[in-house]
Amino acid sequence: DVKVTQSSRYLVKRTGEKVFLECVQDMDHENMFWYRQDPGLGLRLIYFSYDVKMKEKGDIPEGYSVSREKKERFSLILESASTNQTSMYLCASSLEFLAGLGNEQFFGPGTRLTVL
Amino acid sequence: DAKTTQPNSMESNEEEPVHLPCNHSTISGTDYIHWYRQLPSQGPEYVIHGLTSNVNNRMASLAIAEDRKSSTLILHRATLRDAAVYYCILRSSSNFGNEKLTFGTGTRLTIIP
Repeated sequence: DVKVTQSSRYLVKRTGEKVFLECVQDMDHENMFWYRQDPGLGLRLIYFSYDVKMKEKGDIPEGYSVSREKKERFSLILESASTNQTSMYLCASSLEFLAGLGNEQFFGPGTRLTVL
Repeated sequence: DAKTTQPNSMESNEEEPVHLPCNHSTISGTDYIHWYRQLPSQGPEYVIHGLTSNVNNRMASLAIAEDRKSSTLILHRATLRDAAVYYCILRSSSNFGNEKLTFGTGTRLTIIP
């Protein structure tokens, strides 16, 4: 069974702290993604990665960075957490894009981060 | 990116068919129509996708209008486990490596026992 796991379901941090959110997939997927989900705004893409050590900005990258040192692991980093980064964070992975195929994204269960 | 329009919410009775509409009047010829759903307290999951022809899989059917400006996700016999937010997403195949999914706010489906 395919699986995307995230390091924590719930996380509480203080303003100014450095926060690491970890995501691991066991499907040998090339692509990995980080989204955040907020009420009324749907899911918004923060960063994604096509391959190890490669990263691309999504729609809302400000205040975030990412790291992909190994194919199976994609980390989201909040250098200095702020209260407006309180959100649900979702990681996803998919195979290399091929036109016409589903190239479905497989999502993890999410991490609910609260920044106080 | 071409946009989609879905109703905010719908209700359906258990064990009856459900038709979830999606409008995408600015769809381009290379856009695929994808559907995902998000069950409570879970990440989204893929449901189905199509280009021009109607599609069926074990989860649902996708009916695409002839002019492709709208589509309908059909759950043939809804169960309580189908209660979720359903997202209709357009995905371009025109650029290699175009992996981005743009989620709107979707349709919240409530199943009435």
